[in-house]
Amino acid sequence: GAGVSQSPRYKVAKRGQDVALRCDPISGHVSLFWYQQALGQGPEFLTYFQNEAQLDKSGLPSDRFFAERPEGSVSTLKIQRTQQEDSAVYLCASSSLGGLSNQPQHFGDGTRLSIL
Amino acid sequence: DQQVKQNSPSLSVQEGRISILNCDYTNSMFDYFLWYKKYPAEGPTFLISISSIKDKNEDGRFTVFLNKSAKHLSLHIVPSQPGDSAVYFCAASHQGAQKLVFGQGTRLTINP
Repeated sequence: GAGVSQSPRYKVAKRGQDVALRCDPISGHVSLFWYQQALGQGPEFLTYFQNEAQLDKSGLPSDRFFAERPEGSVSTLKIQRTQQEDSAVYLCASSSLGGLSNQPQHFGDGTRLSIL
Repeated sequence: DQQVKQNSPSLSVQEGRISILNCDYTNSMFDYFLWYKKYPAEGPTFLISISSIKDKNEDGRFTVFLNKSAKHLSLHIVPSQPGDSAVYFCAASHQGAQKLVFGQGTRLTINP
């Protein structure tokens, strides 16, 4: 597709359930990022992949959060034993080059996660 | 600690006039700065960026200015159009750390 695609757009889960959020980056983009955006705030970094390698996971708030990109394209963000504070919009972004080159990140429309 | 700050939560500008959105940062390691525009229920859309080796970058109606000594950047939109009404985020990164650090956003409203 032309842009970053995320699914589902909306997810409602009960506290304690596990959820999986999918990101399909722009074709050929090496770098993939996950961000969390709380209401009224800017996006906050969660984790970064260069191809299939997870190079930075410093933003993951707890060990309940896990991300993978096994074949270097599609990525999944998994949240186990969800809690109410996990309610947020989860944004995925990709960029064309990794390493030290500055390239803009292009975002998907996000998944709005609501934990009841 | 908020490394990137947008101190104005909202801004209202008349159509046709100039809109100026401001952003301050504290981390002197930042060397790449971006502005994103966000409509409701959509992801942020990249607008314009600037590297720290420059002090100005222009793309059509959008110009970004960088003042490294003041750790300040601004986005100028001229002339402002109704379609520019959105939330604008500034973001920063530095070499070796690909992640973006975002400000809190400024809601821009363009009045006819």
